[in-house]
Amino acid sequence: ETGVTQTPRHLVMGMTNKKSLKCEQHLGHNAMYWYKQSAKKPLELMFVYNFKEQTENNSVPSRFSPECPNSSHLFLHLHTLQPEDSALYLCASSQDLENGYTFGSGTRLTVV
Amino acid sequence: SQQGEEDPQALSIQEGENATMNCSYKTSINNLQWYRQNSGRGLVHLILIRSNEREKHSGRLRVTLDTSKKSSSLLITASRAADTASYFCATLLKAGGFKTIFGAGTRLFVKA
Repeated sequence: ETGVTQTPRHLVMGMTNKKSLKCEQHLGHNAMYWYKQSAKKPLELMFVYNFKEQTENNSVPSRFSPECPNSSHLFLHLHTLQPEDSALYLCASSQDLENGYTFGSGTRLTVV
Repeated sequence: SQQGEEDPQALSIQEGENATMNCSYKTSINNLQWYRQNSGRGLVHLILIRSNEREKHSGRLRVTLDTSKKSSSLLITASRAADTASYFCATLLKAGGFKTIFGAGTRLFVKA
């Protein structure tokens, strides 16, 4: 365990479903992130939160909706996804925006 | 080309040999980080080197940074089969807010 816990580990959902990914850290970090990792592509930054405030939305489609209720928890709400959204979704946290990240193990999402 | 490109894309060596991976980037950075990823799991932070540093060591890892050439290298000495993984460089950009951008990675195979 890295200190960043992601649930579920695997998720299969239909295109009309609504689901949420959860990320939790108890490292005392103040920044949290969502990244998407697709096959044969670099990690894509999706969202950045610093002290619960969103500081970055990297042109992510509105069918992905993040939520950060406190500095320890981060959610990614999914709605009306497309098959091309199938990927490994990685959550990370860091002490602040200038330090290295601690990653969770990811959620493997398959959209059918 | 994109910010943070690793070279080579894949590297195969014998156990005990040294492995060198390179990373080039385009814009000015705040820091550069190296990560390791095993088989589609979460990334593990290896080393962070700041823009005013030239070299850092951590165990069998040595990272160099040449800001004039906008490049970095990761050297793994006396490699082991357990070092088999993908290695990513990530650059922290400060312009327009803090963003860490990952390269596509180098896939390292260490043969026993």
